[in-house]
Amino acid sequence: AQKVTQAQTEISVVEKEDVTLDCVYETRDTTYYLFWYKQPPSGELVFLIRRNSFDEQNEISGRYSWNFQKSTSSFNFTITASQVVDSAVYFCALSEANRAGNTGKLIFGQGTTLQVKP
Amino acid sequence: KAGVTQTPRYLIKTRGQQVTLSCSPISGHRSVSWYQQTPGQGLQFLFEYFSETQRNKGNFPGRFSGRQFSNSRSEMNVSTLELGDSALYLCATKLEGAGGYNEQFFGPGTRLTVL
Repeated sequence: AQKVTQAQTEISVVEKEDVTLDCVYETRDTTYYLFWYKQPPSGELVFLIRRNSFDEQNEISGRYSWNFQKSTSSFNFTITASQVVDSAVYFCALSEANRAGNTGKLIFGQGTTLQVKP
Repeated sequence: KAGVTQTPRYLIKTRGQQVTLSCSPISGHRSVSWYQQTPGQGLQFLFEYFSETQRNKGNFPGRFSGRQFSNSRSEMNVSTLELGDSALYLCATKLEGAGGYNEQFFGPGTRLTVL
């Protein structure tokens, strides 16, 4: 069975601190996709990044970076120099793949609430 | 290009009633998935529809059902509402392709409150 675990329920940091959100996943599939989403208070899910199981390259996008390690089944997300606007709930998710590519079924972690204080 | 539309945005019902939520996908998107988000259970997959057929199903009781129309619009229905059905219901739509990845786009959600 597929499972995503975000052990950190809530994290509170002071602005400009770096923060890492942990994500550990379980799957028996050899082809799968991993995601991070941000959910601000408005409720809409905002897509941040996608990684497929064959691409272990780390990625940096501005203040955001992601570390994907298949050996430890982890896909961690780091925000450098956090800002108040980063305050939100962050979800890690896993999607299985089929011949058509990815299915519409996402398995989400429980989410990590990040509070960035000024 | 218009995004995913969900109606209504807010809904209040009482226990025992039924409710129908609607999701209009982005033009050209034929896959529609539904998710339930509650404080206790988090974000959980309900079902996915493609070409008017249910393709995937989550672990929810039969009170939760859905359908998809020929124009790819989808509705989900919850019968005999319970207090625990109070949640944010999100739909997500995507293209279908012959292999490769197709990104899912989420709608703003319908917040259902059961009194």
